Amino acid sequence: DIQMTQSPSSLSASVGDRVTITCRASQSISSFLNWYQQKPGKAPRILIYLTSSLESGVPSRFSGSGSGTDFSLTISSLQPEDFATYYCQQSYNNTLTFGGGTKVEIK
Amino acid sequence: QVQLQESGPGLVKPSETLSLTCTVSGGSVSSYMWSWIRQPPGKGLEWVAYISYNGDTNYNPSLKTRVTISLDTSKNQFSLRLNSVTAADTAVYYCAGLGKYFQRWGQGTLVTVSS
Repeated sequence: DIQMTQSPSSLSASVGDRVTITCRASQSISSFLNWYQQKPGKAPRILIYLTSSLESGVPSRFSGSGSGTDFSLTISSLQPEDFATYYCQQSYNNTLTFGGGTKVEIK
Repeated sequence: QVQLQESGPGLVKPSETLSLTCTVSGGSVSSYMWSWIRQPPGKGLEWVAYISYNGDTNYNPSLKTRVTISLDTSKNQFSLRLNSVTAADTAVYYCAGLGKYFQRWGQGTLVTVSS
């Protein structure tokens, strides 16, 4: 299986901050990397697919980059509604795997 | 817009079989791919299985010996069966539509394994 490692596991930030979350794959996954946001008690929702494509309706302050084994999700200016847990997920092979999650909390 | 809704027992006894159904509305299970993902309380997401519109299946290797996913096109539903459950199978189970990513999710249903 391809292991996905996210860092940090949690972070504290203020409204307006620029936040970057990283995700590392245990082998190259090309650009087959997706990012989800999950709020407490809710299902995850897709933010970015195939590394850098923004899902329809997702604010442009979210962006993704990377390739091969190293990827990142950036929130350019953190908003109150962005406090949540973020997961990366690889779709390179048929055994789909998620990262462990990054919880973004209010400082 | 495609919507998904999980249904099934919220409590299952150890060693028994967990059975869940996902009803799809606003779209057909005869197109696209469909999946189950689970999340133990306070933990991360784990993909369980997926099935394509033509019935091809794929399972998480860690669960493969215990899990079955199936499609019922007449009811526009797909289902999950997980046998020989233990407390470690306690989780919120989500059904989802799968393309290049998990695009549509159900709200999730908590299944507790306990006697």
